[in-house]
Amino acid sequence: GAGVSQSPSNKVTEKGKDVELRCDPISGHTALYWYRQRLGQGLEFLIYFQGNSAPDKSGLPSDRFSAERTGESVSTLTIQRTQQEDSAVYLCASSDGQFYGYTFGSGTRLTVV
Amino acid sequence: KNEVEQSPQNLTAQEGEFITINCSYSVGISALHWLQQHPGGGIVSLFMLSSGKKKHGRLIATINIQEKHSSLHITASHPRDSAVYICAVRMPYNTDKLIFGTGTRLQVFP
Repeated sequence: GAGVSQSPSNKVTEKGKDVELRCDPISGHTALYWYRQRLGQGLEFLIYFQGNSAPDKSGLPSDRFSAERTGESVSTLTIQRTQQEDSAVYLCASSDGQFYGYTFGSGTRLTVV
Repeated sequence: KNEVEQSPQNLTAQEGEFITINCSYSVGISALHWLQQHPGGGIVSLFMLSSGKKKHGRLIATINIQEKHSSLHITASHPRDSAVYICAVRMPYNTDKLIFGTGTRLQVFP
């Protein structure tokens, strides 16, 4: 596609349930990032994938959070046993790794009730 | 202290005014990005700078590596420029993480 696609755009889930968020990066972009933005706060780095290298998971806030990426395509961010503090907009971005330009998806707004 | 500081946090302007948003950082960087986040949440990358100055339409971004400072200027501001402007720095040494400033909320009134 022309841009970074994220799904779902909105997700409401009950506390304790697992959720899976999906990101389709721009074709050919080797780098993929997940960020989180809580209401009224700035962007927080979660995890970064670059090609076939081991991902940088240093931003994941707890072991309830995990992410996978198949090759240089789709990535899924999974949050297990969701808590209310997980409520945020989860943003995905991709870049071609050469010109350092980023393209962001429109985000998934997660609400844990 | 945040590694990336932006000022002001909030800014209001009348249509047509010249606007400056500042970003200071305390770490070595390989590049600096200016991002625009609209009220609906979408984020657009405006500029990536590693030195000097870039211009795109009414937007100008400058960076002074020695002083660890960057500015984003908007000439002839318009209500559609109303958004949150975010400065983000890319760390050097083979890492691709961005460290974000807290953003500057700009409102331009007609």
